Amino acid sequence: DGGITQSPKYLFRKEGQNVTLSCEQNLNHDAMYWYRQDPGQGLRLIYYSQIVNDFQKGDIAEGYSVSREKKESFPLTVTSAQKNPTAFYLCASSIAPPGSDGYTFGSGTRLTVV
Amino acid sequence: AQKVTQAQTEISVVEKEDVTLDCVYETRDTTYYLFWYKQPPSGELVFLIRRNSFDEQNEISGRYSWNFQKSTSSFNFTITASQVVDSAVYFCALSEVGGGSYIPTFGRGTSLIVHP
Repeated sequence: DGGITQSPKYLFRKEGQNVTLSCEQNLNHDAMYWYRQDPGQGLRLIYYSQIVNDFQKGDIAEGYSVSREKKESFPLTVTSAQKNPTAFYLCASSIAPPGSDGYTFGSGTRLTVV
Repeated sequence: AQKVTQAQTEISVVEKEDVTLDCVYETRDTTYYLFWYKQPPSGELVFLIRRNSFDEQNEISGRYSWNFQKSTSSFNFTITASQVVDSAVYFCALSEVGGGSYIPTFGRGTSLIVHP
């Protein structure tokens, strides 16, 4: 079945460490997105990519980096420059414009700083 | 800039009650898409509906119905005869077509608690 796979489900980071969250899709979608979810804040856009080897900053890109070397993969690195990284991270994908089934989301990665 | 407002932070109902979740949006585009998503405790967002700005027809799917009104920039979601399994956070989202980016902007979500 087609879908988006995010891994790991839970991730713990020590102060000063970089960590990478994986996002893979087999839906043949061109566009991929990363969102951060904090309690009461809704979903905030970190980065998005509409085509391989191209990506754009979202509203809260500082302290994060991404790459899009393959259509299927859009990993997110949380760098040590991100001062408050504890959050739930969601990856999504879609065709452009979004089809009748909207945006497809992964099951998320919960990142905690220890 | 696009904006989505879900003024209701949390709604608590008893099973079998009807409940309406409000969504108000702002956009300068004449062409856009509106969405509703459900986020159960597991965390994954589940797609419920997409509506484009040209289609103001209301839609019904089982116990779910949606009322889209461009005149008031609202896209409200009603659950009829609520059930405990409806307990979740519900998000409304807007995606503008102008510029070709189609980036969805989400509201802050409404947490629905259905008590048995």
